[in-house]
Amino acid sequence: DAKTTQPNSMESNEEEPVHLPCNHSTISGTDYIHWYRQLPSQGPEYVIHGLTSNVNNRMASLAIAEDRKSSTLILHRATLRDAAVYYCILRRGNEKLTFGTGTRLTIIP
Amino acid sequence: EAQVTQNPRYLITVTGKKLTVTCSQNMNHEYMSWYRQDPGLGLRQIYYSMNVEVTDKGDVPEGYKVSRKEKRNFPLILESPSPNQTSLYFCASSVTTTGTGELFFGEGSRLTVL
Repeated sequence: DAKTTQPNSMESNEEEPVHLPCNHSTISGTDYIHWYRQLPSQGPEYVIHGLTSNVNNRMASLAIAEDRKSSTLILHRATLRDAAVYYCILRRGNEKLTFGTGTRLTIIP
Repeated sequence: EAQVTQNPRYLITVTGKKLTVTCSQNMNHEYMSWYRQDPGLGLRQIYYSMNVEVTDKGDVPEGYKVSRKEKRNFPLILESPSPNQTSLYFCASSVTTTGTGELFFGEGSRLTVL
């Protein structure tokens, strides 16, 4: 299985941008990079995904390194509601999916 | 409304008493999966299914069974629950894709085995 590595925790000030890193050095050419987040007492929810190019949606941006061995989830202006655990996973298709422990993001008011 | 529904949401049971946690999705998704979440261990995949009658083991399948007789349902069966299966369980579904499919998760089922 392709594995990802994320910091256990990060803190950010409210209304500041947040950059959440993810390393995936064993990524294969057909692996898509997905990000999910889990708010307290809820199931994980989809945030964004990409293959090679940077991606933007209403929730966040995804910056993918040129060699695809790392990526960064960018929250442009963090709010208290963005406090959650963020998971970076690799998805090739309908296979076994490994989520890991994610990054716990704390937002400081 | 597109959703994944799990039942029960909360259950306390005793060792050895068979139980089933149901999962149903209304999005016509081919792919369905079960995860358990334990403190410090993140989300670990138990079983997944790529379509009706097609299932495969995830990372922690021991002590669990699944079946996929209908596209919308993917029940998780604990034939003889043990205390180490006390956990928070999530069901998820997505379309069949080459890797672009967004996973939709249920709200979770908190199981306690005494």
